[in-house]
Amino acid sequence: GNSVTQMEGPVTLSEEAFLTINCTYTATGYPSLFWYVQYPGEGLQLLLKATKADDKGSNKGFEATYRKETTSFHLEKGSVQVSDSAVYFCALISNTGFQKLVFGTGTRLLVSP
Amino acid sequence: GAGVSQSPSNKVTEKGKDVELRCDPISGHTALYWYRQSLGQGLEFLIYFQGNSAPDKSGLPSDRFSAERTGGSVSTLTIQRTQQEDSAVYLCASSLSSGARGTEAFFGQGTRLTVV
Repeated sequence: GNSVTQMEGPVTLSEEAFLTINCTYTATGYPSLFWYVQYPGEGLQLLLKATKADDKGSNKGFEATYRKETTSFHLEKGSVQVSDSAVYFCALISNTGFQKLVFGTGTRLLVSP
Repeated sequence: GAGVSQSPSNKVTEKGKDVELRCDPISGHTALYWYRQSLGQGLEFLIYFQGNSAPDKSGLPSDRFSAERTGGSVSTLTIQRTQQEDSAVYLCASSLSSGARGTEAFFGQGTRLTVV
């Protein structure tokens, strides 16, 4: 079945540091890939997405590139802010038939001033 | 409505009682998902609907849990004879359809269930 594996947290960084959160997937066909974010006390919201190989999703300074050869969708940001502290979830949905949205376990990011 | 609406936002219930959680998806969204999130944990898939049918119920933890969807819209998640381990935030999401390329799922704010 389809699955998503992401690095365990928490990831602790100082403000302005470079961020990478790893995500790899297993899926049939060509899934669409997503990063969702959950800020403290808030609901999940979509951060970015990519729908085909080599696509780059970007939003709020975050980027992730759909790498089919390595089945990865790593999240990166060049300079994190305290306000980026949140839990980040990698997810996929297969485009073959009706498939459920599959999430990774989430990675907590803590950014200190 | 403008977004996915869940009710109640908070529910405290006594152990052994039944509870119903409601989800109003975004109008026109055919796919609907239920997840739960325990304190500090990730998202645990429960069930998903395409229209009124549930192709995948594999995540329901026990036969105390059931869900239905009527009219391709509102969904109700029912937990019978609640136990303390059922305490969690129950999240609902909807999307235009499942499987279509790039389909984004929109989440509600969740129902925080506390079993005492």
